[in-house]
Amino acid sequence: DARVTQTPRHKVTEMGQEVTMRCQPILGHNTVFWYRQTMMQGLELLAYFRNRAPLDDSGMPKDRFSAEMPDATLATLKIQPSEPRDSAVYFCASGADRVDRDGYTFGSGTRLTVV
Amino acid sequence: TQLLEQSPQFLSIQEGENLTVYCNSSSVFSSLQWYRQEPGEGPVLLVTVVTGGEVKKLKRLTFQFGDARKDSSLHITAAQTGDTGLYLCAGRYNQGGKLIFGQGTELSVKP
Repeated sequence: DARVTQTPRHKVTEMGQEVTMRCQPILGHNTVFWYRQTMMQGLELLAYFRNRAPLDDSGMPKDRFSAEMPDATLATLKIQPSEPRDSAVYFCASGADRVDRDGYTFGSGTRLTVV
Repeated sequence: TQLLEQSPQFLSIQEGENLTVYCNSSSVFSSLQWYRQEPGEGPVLLVTVVTGGEVKKLKRLTFQFGDARKDSSLHITAAQTGDTGLYLCAGRYNQGGKLIFGQGTELSVKP
């Protein structure tokens, strides 16, 4: 089965440190999403890309978060500097053109803890 | 702000019971999806509905899209312990647009 791969699975870091999360979308998928999941807020959309171009990052705190797709096989989400309130599970999802039929495939997430 | 309201937030039932989860919005969806998420994993797609009034069945799960395409429901018949998990609805307000998730329904089915 094709999978979305996220690394690392777990990350514990100190406040103020830079955090980089990586995502390898499914080969051939041209849309990539970054979501953040917490108990209080549920799944929040942070950013999404189509054909590697950023389409919407309005859900992302711009002062500390950045999302990029350096190539079609890699999406990154960076937090600098990290804060305790950034603690959450971060999911990457990818999809092809027929997303209304086939939906998105999610990775297993990166559980981030900022202490 | 486009909101997707899901209810109930928590549901604890006995094996064999039936249940319904609701997903509502004040805006019209171009499509709506239901996902199921297990602990430590990402959401997994169950179904997509596109046409108003559409009904889809997946074994004991029945999904309905409202005629006006503003609401949807998930009905589970004779729930089993394996149905335990977080059920999420997610809607798109225009084709190719971003996918917005509801808060989710945490279902616990007890033996």
